[in-house]
Amino acid sequence: DADVTQTPRNRITKTGKRIMLECSQTKGHDRMYWYRQDPGLGLRLIYYSFDVKDINKGEISDGYSVSRQAQAKFSLSLESAIPNQTALYFCATSASWNTEAFFGQGTRLTVV
Amino acid sequence: GESVGLHLPTLSVQEGDNSIINCAYSNSASDYFIWYKQESGKGPQFIIDIRSNMDKRQGQRVTVLLNKTVKHLSLQIAATQPGDSAVYFCAENMGETSGSRLTFGEGTQLTVNP
Repeated sequence: DADVTQTPRNRITKTGKRIMLECSQTKGHDRMYWYRQDPGLGLRLIYYSFDVKDINKGEISDGYSVSRQAQAKFSLSLESAIPNQTALYFCATSASWNTEAFFGQGTRLTVV
Repeated sequence: GESVGLHLPTLSVQEGDNSIINCAYSNSASDYFIWYKQESGKGPQFIIDIRSNMDKRQGQRVTVLLNKTVKHLSLQIAATQPGDSAVYFCAENMGETSGSRLTFGEGTQLTVNP
């Protein structure tokens, strides 16, 4: 089983719809992250959480919200999806700031 | 501003040759650096990391070099194989005082020709 599991893997949704992307990890790490990747670009941080009670905005948090339901679960929501949120979304987890982050396989989201 | 960038967006090498992928970073306060490999349709995979108190670190067929004077990071892959074809990203982290966030570069597409 994968260390970091994202669901769904692919999703097409309509403009204005609310959508939730889910992430779970089995590494036992406190830190979890959501990134967005656009074609030809690196990953940009949307939100991150250092423990269940700690949520922080990343560089591109507008239009997104998150929920840390448990140490192992971190979900990303688009309250009202728009076409420029079409992208590949990655969840990751790490033990600390100076150790590797483990990434999920990604969710390909298309907003039409 | 804070940024991590790569000198070349694409790199093509012959199988068996050595590959060198470069990365420039702009923040001298960065304390930790990672190289990730991303194959098509997959999430980034850790290759190697290096802390700012080091200038070289070796792994299996890979070496990372850090030059803090010119804020330059490179990844060397020895005896490149077709399975090494992927996009390679460097990332930097400025530590806990800056929110301990990884900032990624735009990536270099490595193509290995048989």
